[in-house]
Amino acid sequence: EVQLQQSGPELVKPGASVKISCKASGYSFTGYYMHWVKQSHVKSLEWIGRINPYNGATSYNQNFKDKASLTVDKSSSTAYMELHSLTSEDSAVYYCVRYDFDYWGQGTTLTVSS
Amino acid sequence: DAVMTQTPLSLPVSLGDQASISCRSSQSLENSNGNTYLNWYLQKPGQSPQLLIYRVSNRFSGVLDRFSGSGSGTDFTLKISRVEAEDLGVYFCLQVTHVPYTFGGGTKLEIK
Repeated sequence: EVQLQQSGPELVKPGASVKISCKASGYSFTGYYMHWVKQSHVKSLEWIGRINPYNGATSYNQNFKDKASLTVDKSSSTAYMELHSLTSEDSAVYYCVRYDFDYWGQGTTLTVSS
Repeated sequence: DAVMTQTPLSLPVSLGDQASISCRSSQSLENSNGNTYLNWYLQKPGQSPQLLIYRVSNRFSGVLDRFSGSGSGTDFTLKISRVEAEDLGVYFCLQVTHVPYTFGGGTKLEIK
């Protein structure tokens, strides 16, 4: 069974960075791109970018290219997304999503507040 | 970017009715390989979106045949026949033809 298990909710201060994880199981991790998606009340759903776990190659939505950094650890089948210079506009639920947008993680709630 | 416009925003239905949701793209979603990458999702309260339909009209594993997708080019429709209480939630379309991939704004299916 394909599962994407994300890290827990985060409360961080403005200006800080945060790293969210997504541990994959039930399939060949390096065989499928991993996407990241933002869901906020303001802009609903937005695609942030994707990473090829096999070679680490990334592709970003231009709106997030300076905000997000995607990495993977093949040894633990885990994908990561780091968000930088956080503001209140980054408060949202973030999802990792497998290649065909078929399987989604449970979401990680990020709250940016002082 | 391909802008995805979903209508209606809210769809009140009676249980047992048919529901129809539209998704229109600002660009054709037919890829140079001839495939059209348009998916439909249902997001129930407090849950992640769940895939219903991929590539316009293909039901994902375990999805009931009450759900059907159709369309081509820029205009797509999701139909739900004999709506049940478990179908309630927000429906989204997603295009995966053009980068950046983009979502519709969502349609909330609720009881009339």
